This record gives sequence, structure tokens and C-alpha cells, in this order.
Amino acid sequence: NAGVTQTPKFQVLKTGQSMTLQCAQDMNHEYMSWYRQDPGMGLRLIHYSVGAGITDQGEVPNGYNVSRSTTEDFPLRLLSAAPSQTSVYFCASSYRVSRGTEAFFGQGTRLTVV
Amino acid sequence: DAKTTQPPSMDCAEGRAANLPCNHSTISGNEYVYWYRQIHSQGPQYIIHGLKNNETNEMASLIITEDRKSSTLILPHATLRDTAVYYCIALSGSGANNLFFGTGTRLTVIP
Repeated sequence: NAGVTQTPKFQVLKTGQSMTLQCAQDMNHEYMSWYRQDPGMGLRLIHYSVGAGITDQGEVPNGYNVSRSTTEDFPLRLLSAAPSQTSVYFCASSYRVSRGTEAFFGQGTRLTVV
Repeated sequence: DAKTTQPPSMDCAEGRAANLPCNHSTISGNEYVYWYRQIHSQGPQYIIHGLKNNETNEMASLIITEDRKSSTLILPHATLRDTAVYYCIALSGSGANNLFFGTGTRLTVIP
């Protein structure tokens, strides 16, 4: 049982490049989400999914795309990286969509856009 | 979801109880109070949550006031490994499990 696994752990991109941050969970959780954390700040919600085939926008969705083709995987795509997207990205999952379920977080992907 | 207010930082002596306050004066009846912590720059870790009653688990205790406008997270015997940023979050019992993090309380446990 690996929990929530994020890859890569570190990434440097040039402005305008695209990439996909991977997130996988092996707990059969319905709910998955992506957050970003800028220095000295709390986490902000980018996108979330309440099940396979269903995604929705969070607080800061611009510049990011997501899809959820399977229960296990929830990749985050940056189509054209910008320096403002330099941040630490966390993926989270929880068993149920609501009502008092704890969220499990991955260890993060540290992204630098130059 | 209700806004929460926490002090930006606190210190606690090792071995003593750490009491972290949280104000959530606009909380509604179906909103849970959750606590998470983040050690260094790791992913946040769930600690505890509650609705009305006080709760206790192997990590901590959560005391919620009768009017539910504030709560306190208690780490009964703080260790150096408890040094972290602690987040108090009010989350609706219905709808998506979207956590909205503020800036939290940075707890420093002093030897």
C-alpha cells in the first residue's frame, strides 16, 4: 500500500514548455485533488475530481488541465509553463467525497519554471 | 465553508502540552473542524476532526466550544518532531471534500 505517489519529485522547465505531473493512489479513493503551495503560503486548490470521468475547477485553475480516466490516476498538465507556476504541487485523495473523511497527501513535486 | 483564524506562531516546551487555538465564528451547523499539519515542506498530514463533540485519537485531542465558534487542538506531550505548521479548516459535511488552507500556526517545540 503506497498511498499517494507523485512523480517527478523535482522538475525544472523552461517558459513555454509543457509537462504532466503524475499522481496515483492505490486506496480506491473516490476523491482526488491538486494543490499548489507558494513560499510562505497555505495550499490552494487547483482542480479536483469526485470520480472517474468527473473533474471540476478549484480556486486557481488557470494554466492547468486535468483528466480522470481511472480511479487510480489524476494527472495535472501544464500546457505552456510560466514563471508564475513555480511552486510545490501536492496531490491528495480521500475515500469519500464528503462527510468527515481524511485526505491523504503525496510528498509533492517541486517545479521551477525559468 | 467558514473562514478560520489562527495565531501565526507559537512556542511550546518539549514534553509540555501544546494548545493551538482556532476561531471559526461563522461556522455553520454541518461544517466539521479539521486539523492538518505540515512538517517542513512535506505533504500535509491529517490529525483529527470533529463536528460537535470533543474528539481524541492517538495523535491529539480536539476541544470544540459549545457554541462551536472556536476550538483548540491539544498535543498532550509535545516532542521536537511536532514542530510544524498546523492548519485548522472548516469543511462542509456535504459537497466535495475541498480543503481550503489558510496560513496556519507555526508551532516550534523548544528543547
